[in-house]
Amino acid sequence: GVTQSPTHLIKTRGQQVTLRCSSQSGHNTVSWYQQALGQGPQFIFQYYREEENGRGNFPPRFSGLQFPNDSSELNVNALELDDSALYLCASSSGLGSYEQYFGPGTRLTVT
Amino acid sequence: ILNVEQSPQSLHVQEGDSTNFTCSFPSSNFYALHWYRWETAKSPEALFVMTLNGDEKKKGRISATLNTKEGYSYLYIKGSQPEDSATYLCASYGGSQGNLIFGKGTKLSVKP
Repeated sequence: GVTQSPTHLIKTRGQQVTLRCSSQSGHNTVSWYQQALGQGPQFIFQYYREEENGRGNFPPRFSGLQFPNDSSELNVNALELDDSALYLCASSSGLGSYEQYFGPGTRLTVT
Repeated sequence: ILNVEQSPQSLHVQEGDSTNFTCSFPSSNFYALHWYRWETAKSPEALFVMTLNGDEKKKGRISATLNTKEGYSYLYIKGSQPEDSATYLCASYGGSQGNLIFGKGTKLSVKP
C-alpha cells in the first residue's frame, strides 16, 4: 500500500517542511492533496515519471519531487499558519488511470 | 472550476437503518466519479469508480448509482452497522491534470 511519514509534525511559522510518501509498487504517478479542517481534500500537484504533470491553486512555495524508487516528497517553504492541514498522497498506475490509492496522511500543525 | 457537493454533511442512524447520501457534480466534461470510505487515522479506501451514465455498483451492503446527464450520484447503505461509521467522500476525476475534485464528505455515525 501507500505509506506516508511522518504521521504528525509541528512546525513554526516561517520554517520549511518535507513530507514523504512511498507509492504502491509499480505505480509511476503520485498526487498530493491538502485537507484543511472542514474541507474536502484539495489537489496540490501530480508527478509522473519524476516530472510535474499538473498543479492546483497552490503557490510556488509548495514543491515536490518524485524519485525512481516509487517514493516522493512534498516540500513547503516559509510555512504559514493556514498550511496547518492533513496532507495526503495518492499513487496510480499511470496518467489517465482513474483509480488512485491513498496513504493515511501526515498531519501538519504550524504554530 | 468543478464544484462537487455532498449532502448531508453528517448523519446519525441506528444500527439496522438503511441510509443514502448524495453527491452532485458538474455534468460537463465528465470522466469518472469516485466514492471513498474514510475512517479516522486510516487511508481513504476506494469503494467505487463509475464512468458510465446509469452505472450501478454494489459491494456487500453498499451500492451506488450514477447519473452523468444530471450530475449526481447516490450511495446507499442497507442495514447500517457500527463498523460503517466513517466519512464518505465522493470525487470527480478532473481529467487533464489527473486530479480528483472532492466534496467535503458525509460523516456517518451508526449507533448500536
